Amino acid sequence: DAKTTQPNSMESNEEEPVHLPCNHSTISGTDYIHWYRQLPSQGPEYVIHGLTSNVNNRMASLAIAEDRKSSTLILHRATLRDAAVYYCILRQGAQKLVFGQGTRLTINP
Amino acid sequence: EPEVTQTPSHQVTQMGQEVILRCVPISNHLYFYWYRQILGQKVEFLVSFYNNEISEKSEIFDDQFSVERPDGSNFTLKIRSTKLEDSAMYFCASSEALWNTEAFFGQGTRLTVV
Repeated sequence: DAKTTQPNSMESNEEEPVHLPCNHSTISGTDYIHWYRQLPSQGPEYVIHGLTSNVNNRMASLAIAEDRKSSTLILHRATLRDAAVYYCILRQGAQKLVFGQGTRLTINP
Repeated sequence: EPEVTQTPSHQVTQMGQEVILRCVPISNHLYFYWYRQILGQKVEFLVSFYNNEISEKSEIFDDQFSVERPDGSNFTLKIRSTKLEDSAMYFCASSEALWNTEAFFGQGTRLTVV
């Protein structure tokens, strides 16, 4: 299983942008970069995914390095509801998701 | 918005008893999964299911576990003889297609074995 490395925790303030980094130096050409989050007492929730180009959706943006060995999830304007554990996962096709410890994001009011 | 639904939300069972956890995946999805999360630990993959058969399973998914799609809409996880260490949140997930798709998770069933 391809590995990712994320900081254990990060903290930010409400209404400010948040940049969550992820390193995946052993990524293969067919690995998609997926981000999921898990709010307290809930199931994981899909956030965004991409292959090579940067991606935007209503929840977040995903910036992928040119060599694909790292990526950054960007929450443009954090709210208290964004406090969660964020997981960066490499996935091929419909294969299983392998969850690491993720980054616990705390949002201060 | 379509969602994956799981029932029950909480199940308490005695050690040694059989339990069945139920999931209704999103209707046009073809790939189904079970994951579990022991309190305070990582989300762990159990099994994936496609075309009415298991496509992959983890070491956790031993002979005590089985999955079934009995009627084309439900997807069940059965634990034949529960142990204390089976206590966890169990999450069902589904994906639409093979490539370039996200997985949708249910809210989970909290299984407590006493």
